[in-house]
Amino acid sequence: AQSVAQPEDQVNVAEGNPLTVKCTYSVSGNPYLFWYVQYPNRGLQFLLKYITGDNLVKGSYGFEAEFNKSQTSFHLKKPSALVSDSALYFCAAGNSGYSTLTFGKGTMLLVSP
Amino acid sequence: GAVVSQHPSRVICKSGTSVKIECRSLDFQATTMFWYRQFPKQSLMLMATSNEGSKATYEQGVEKDKFLINHASLTLSTLTVTSAHPEDSSFYICSARDGPKPNYGYTFGSGTRLTVV
Repeated sequence: AQSVAQPEDQVNVAEGNPLTVKCTYSVSGNPYLFWYVQYPNRGLQFLLKYITGDNLVKGSYGFEAEFNKSQTSFHLKKPSALVSDSALYFCAAGNSGYSTLTFGKGTMLLVSP
Repeated sequence: GAVVSQHPSRVICKSGTSVKIECRSLDFQATTMFWYRQFPKQSLMLMATSNEGSKATYEQGVEKDKFLINHASLTLSTLTVTSAHPEDSSFYICSARDGPKPNYGYTFGSGTRLTVV
């Protein structure tokens, strides 16, 4: 079975500072990794994904994530946080053998002015 | 990019009635659609996977007679909550994949807030 862990329920960061939202995964075979963002009472918006290739993936709104196979991690990062980045972030994983994604429990990001 | 339209965004219904939620892929054919349920401050719980033209596959613990899923075409899947009760109140989200493998994009609908009174 595959699993995704987001160890932090909430991350607080000041506007302009770099942010990191952590994610580790357990997937057999080659992982497909995704980050999504959810605003209140809305569906999930795709940020970025890693399938293959460069370990550093760049996505929407200035976000990026680094795939680390040895640490089975896929942390989400942004060099300079904005107040508008405040939202709920989900990491998800799958692989070629699974037709569904497994989601982490989500991390609330709060960016203060 | 791919767009999934989910309707309605909010619905309030009386206990004992049924509610239908629609999920449409607008610019692609969705071979597979997924239905999730999300409780406040919690992650998404996969309820079922539907493939066009076949019966949905329900996750363990999800009552298939209560949550009826129909995927009659490549662009439309519906979730019907039958005989709704207050404990069914939740946020329901659909997702569609535009290809057969997980590395294809997963596009999510905007969600439906169901309140049963």
